[in-house]
Amino acid sequence: DAGVIQSPRHEVTEMGQEVTLRCKPISGHNSLFWYRQTMMRGLELLIYFNNNVPIDDSGMPEDRFSAKMPNASFSTLKIQPSEPRDSAVYFCASSTSGSRDEQFFGPGTRLTVL
Amino acid sequence: ILNVEQSPQSLHVQEGDSTNFTCSFPSSNFYALHWYRWETAKSPEALFVMTLNGDEKKKGRISATLNTKEGYSYLYIKGSQPEDSATYLCATPAGTALIFGKGTTLSVSS
Repeated sequence: DAGVIQSPRHEVTEMGQEVTLRCKPISGHNSLFWYRQTMMRGLELLIYFNNNVPIDDSGMPEDRFSAKMPNASFSTLKIQPSEPRDSAVYFCASSTSGSRDEQFFGPGTRLTVL
Repeated sequence: ILNVEQSPQSLHVQEGDSTNFTCSFPSSNFYALHWYRWETAKSPEALFVMTLNGDEKKKGRISATLNTKEGYSYLYIKGSQPEDSATYLCATPAGTALIFGKGTTLSVSS
């Protein structure tokens, strides 16, 4: 298996633009997580999907952020409109069963909003 | 709010030194404790998932112990090598989320 796949690896955009980050979890994993990593706050959970259903989105910062998982092999995290404070590394991770099992992380997307 | 604390925040050792760091977590409603290794410019990679009080796990020169009654875990690295340089994160589940500590950043000089 190729592991968790994320795209793009780097994204530079201007304030106000829409940004879409993509994730393909490991086949057979039914839990998918989006994290954001910043110097100030470390690694923080944004949203968790189980069997394609959003279970916990309490970490999503505000309405500008949205996430979808239309099928078991694909998820998106969208920021619209983007702001400079959204600049961070966004990781997607998957596991076989929720937060209690080992999570496999993708390579991350480094987002810079100018 | 569940709080996971790690200490020290950073550590610098010489090649060949053995070292250890601490992860503290709430002991109530404990389910599991994860350790991850995070190299610069890469993504976190799981080292151990521990569930039993008194458990000890080992992977090569890295080992970890768990005390669920008092709420701490130690990660040990024996004979540190430059390739061990990374940030070591611990995490514990809280509901549907995995709560991470801020990590201990280890730097090993040759």
